[in-house]
Amino acid sequence: EIVMTQSPATLSVSAGERATLSCRASQSINSKIAWYQQKPGQAPRLLIFGASTRATGIPARFSGNGSGTEFTLTISSLQSEDFAVYYCQHYDNWPHTFGQGTKLEI
Amino acid sequence: EVQLAESGGGLVQPGGSLRLSCAASGFTFSTHAMSWVRQAPGKGLEWISGITADGVHTKNADAVKGRFTISRDNSRNTLFLQMDSLRAEDTAVYYCSKQLWGVGAIDFWGQGTLVTVSP
Repeated sequence: EIVMTQSPATLSVSAGERATLSCRASQSINSKIAWYQQKPGQAPRLLIFGASTRATGIPARFSGNGSGTEFTLTISSLQSEDFAVYYCQHYDNWPHTFGQGTKLEI
Repeated sequence: EVQLAESGGGLVQPGGSLRLSCAASGFTFSTHAMSWVRQAPGKGLEWISGITADGVHTKNADAVKGRFTISRDNSRNTLFLQMDSLRAEDTAVYYCSKQLWGVGAIDFWGQGTLVTVSP
């Protein structure tokens, strides 16, 4: 089973600033990684798949990067609605494990 | 409009069983792989079970192996999760989820159904 490790657990930033979230896989996942945003009481929302492809309707301030085992999600200029919990997930093979999440707070 | 509507959650005693259903609409159900993901109260997301579009291949996470069974009925556009030998640690919101065609990422989630395992 591939283990996905996110860092940091909590990231405190201000609106308008840039935030960079990291995710490390325990082995190469062929860029088969997705990023999700989850707000309290809501289901997650797909942001990025294939390491760098934005999902439909996702603003350009969200970008994904990385290869091999190291990946990042960058939010270029934080808006108030971006404060949430973010998860990475690999889908290279079953099981499609998630990282433990990064809470982005003000 | 894509819709995934879970049902079947509720309160069950340890050792009991529940069967979750997920009614899908708004897309061609039979061409998409599907998954169940759960989230314990205040915790992160946990992938627990997946099934291919044709229902031939399935996989469970180690945490539920031998106790949970995923299945689908493409004629009724419905995904199922049979949960047996339930434990307190299975208490969670269970999400039905649709995978992007040809990609394992989840592009749509249901609103979830709460399963509580307690005496």
